[in-house]
Amino acid sequence: DVKVTQSSRYLVKRTGEKVFLECVQDMDHENMFWYRQDPGLGLRLIYFSYDVKMKEKGDIPEGYSVSREKKERFSLILESASTNQTSMYLCASSLAGALTEAFFGQGTRLTVV
Amino acid sequence: KQEVTQIPAALSVPEGENLVLNCSFTDSAIYNLQWFRQDPGKGLTSLLLIQSSQREQTSGRLNASLDKSSGRSTLYIAASQPGDSATYLCAVFGNAGNMLTFGGGTRLMVKP
Repeated sequence: DVKVTQSSRYLVKRTGEKVFLECVQDMDHENMFWYRQDPGLGLRLIYFSYDVKMKEKGDIPEGYSVSREKKERFSLILESASTNQTSMYLCASSLAGALTEAFFGQGTRLTVV
Repeated sequence: KQEVTQIPAALSVPEGENLVLNCSFTDSAIYNLQWFRQDPGKGLTSLLLIQSSQREQTSGRLNASLDKSSGRSTLYIAASQPGDSATYLCAVFGNAGNMLTFGGGTRLMVKP
């Protein structure tokens, strides 16, 4: 079974801190994604990556950056956390191409105080 | 821009009922459509994937259909059980961008 693992289930950080959310997948998938999920707004794509060191902006990239130094790992970085970044963050991965299934991690509930 | 809508937003049914969840999308140029389940506070679990060339997929008590030309998909759940209570999300993978676009979800409660 595909496994997508996010480093933390719950995280509390202070305003202005630099925050790293880590995601690792074990199935050699080319594509990796970061979404955030908020009540009433659904899932929104922040960034995705289709290869090592490659990244593309999603719908809401402002305030975030990403890093993909190894194929299995995709990191989301909040350069200076703000309270409006309090959310559920979800990582996903899939094989290259458009005909494949996406698999999600268990989510990280981030609270910025 | 692709928009995905799910109706109803919430649904409550007694155990044993058969039910249908609806998903519609505005741009029919899609590669595939995927149905997910999400339990409160958890990640998404993939239920069914339908390629654009397919009309339906089945897994156990679940059956998903796709009518690409009309921009619609349905998820049919047979003989519902309390354990089916969750939020169900549909997502389309469009050929106008290498990404999934999600609907807002249907929150299902199955009462014993």
